[in-house]
Amino acid sequence: EPEVTQTPSHQVTQMGQEVILRCVPISNHLYFYWYRQILGQKVEFLVSFYNNEISEKSEIFDDQFSVERPDGSNFTLKIRSTKLEDSAMYFCASSEAGQNYGYTFGSGTRLTVV
Amino acid sequence: QKEVEQDPGPLSVPEGAIVSLNCTYSNSAFQYFMWYRQYSRKGPELLMYTYSSGNKEDGRFTAQVDKSSKYISLFIRDSQPSDSATYLCAMPPSGGSYIPTFGRGTSLIVHP
Repeated sequence: EPEVTQTPSHQVTQMGQEVILRCVPISNHLYFYWYRQILGQKVEFLVSFYNNEISEKSEIFDDQFSVERPDGSNFTLKIRSTKLEDSAMYFCASSEAGQNYGYTFGSGTRLTVV
Repeated sequence: QKEVEQDPGPLSVPEGAIVSLNCTYSNSAFQYFMWYRQYSRKGPELLMYTYSSGNKEDGRFTAQVDKSSKYISLFIRDSQPSDSATYLCAMPPSGGSYIPTFGRGTSLIVHP
């Protein structure tokens, strides 16, 4: 069964450093998303991406965050200057059709900012 | 009032029990509803997707939507220890967005 692949599975970084989280969505999917989940809290939407541009973003997705699809397979989330409160699980997801269909999520990257 | 509310549990049941998981929502414009299952330290996995009122069945799982009460349910028949996970309901928020908002999830424990 096709799956969304995320790397690394765990990343530890120092406060103020830049991190790039990587995702390989399912190959025939057109819509891509990043969500995050702070430990013990709910899954929160960050950004959606379609046709090589951001289609929607939440209040969490401020100027510290950016997304990119550098080639035909990868989808990345960059955090420019990490803060302690950025520590969370970051999930990439993709969907084949419109945004109102179910998503396929990756297993996540656990980001720990120290 | 929060748009999507879900009791965090934990809900502990014996193997073989029928489980009922519920969400309430506030926006009557919601048109579609999803249930996800999330195992510990894994991403959510889509279980059920419903677009209207009534019931939808898939194996041991039944999703029920009551739009008049703004209440959705997920029933699990013959529950198994492997069903132990957090169950998240999801639906799009108000304001014209189609991006699903997740409930905080209900933790289910099925003990042998």
